[in-house]
Amino acid sequence: QKEVEQNSGPLSVPEGAIASLNCTYSDRGSQSFFWYRQYSGKSPELIMSIYSNGDKEDGRFTAQLNKASQYVSLLIRDSQPSDSATYLCAVNRVYGNKLVFGAGTILRVKS
Amino acid sequence: EAGVVQSPRYKIIEKKQPVAFWCNPISGHNTLYWYRQNLGQGPELLIRYENEEAVDDSQLPKDRFSAERLKGVDSTLKIQPAELGDSAVYLCASSLEGRQGHYGYTFGSGTRLTVV
Repeated sequence: QKEVEQNSGPLSVPEGAIASLNCTYSDRGSQSFFWYRQYSGKSPELIMSIYSNGDKEDGRFTAQLNKASQYVSLLIRDSQPSDSATYLCAVNRVYGNKLVFGAGTILRVKS
Repeated sequence: EAGVVQSPRYKIIEKKQPVAFWCNPISGHNTLYWYRQNLGQGPELLIRYENEEAVDDSQLPKDRFSAERLKGVDSTLKIQPAELGDSAVYLCASSLEGRQGHYGYTFGSGTRLTVV
């Protein structure tokens, strides 16, 4: 089992719809969770961080965390073609104090 | 504020040749990371520095890879000799010590290595 798992996709949504990206992790002691966006040929860019159970909203993005279920999600409202990218979930391991990344989910927003 | 600066942007070498990558972190960030990202995969940590000290190099293939961070600022990652399987993007990232869990990392633009 990988430490951080994501559905590789691609996830295709029409422009204006809500995109829902999911991630599960195995280290129960993890405390910090991040979503990175990576455009093709570019480096990862931090878009959201979350530390407590519940929802955290930032513009069109909402991160959701459920530590009991070891589950993190990212919702993108009013999806735009410019949101088309790979979204990487990252979890900060308590042991070793490092970010562990999932393989990423490819999102395609169709206009 | 300048971001994390990496060079070169691209590198093509023949197998068995040496190669080196350079990284300058964000000013004031004492923690520096080297990650490797294979096509279709997430980044994987190679080595983490706290100032000059390599505090986690458990994933660094030490038979051919080496790294240094002199004076606790910029860093160099070297591969000698390179193998075909080393073809990947090498990413450098930095963060404030003790705060990476709060703010995440900032990545450089990466070096795309192709070994032929």
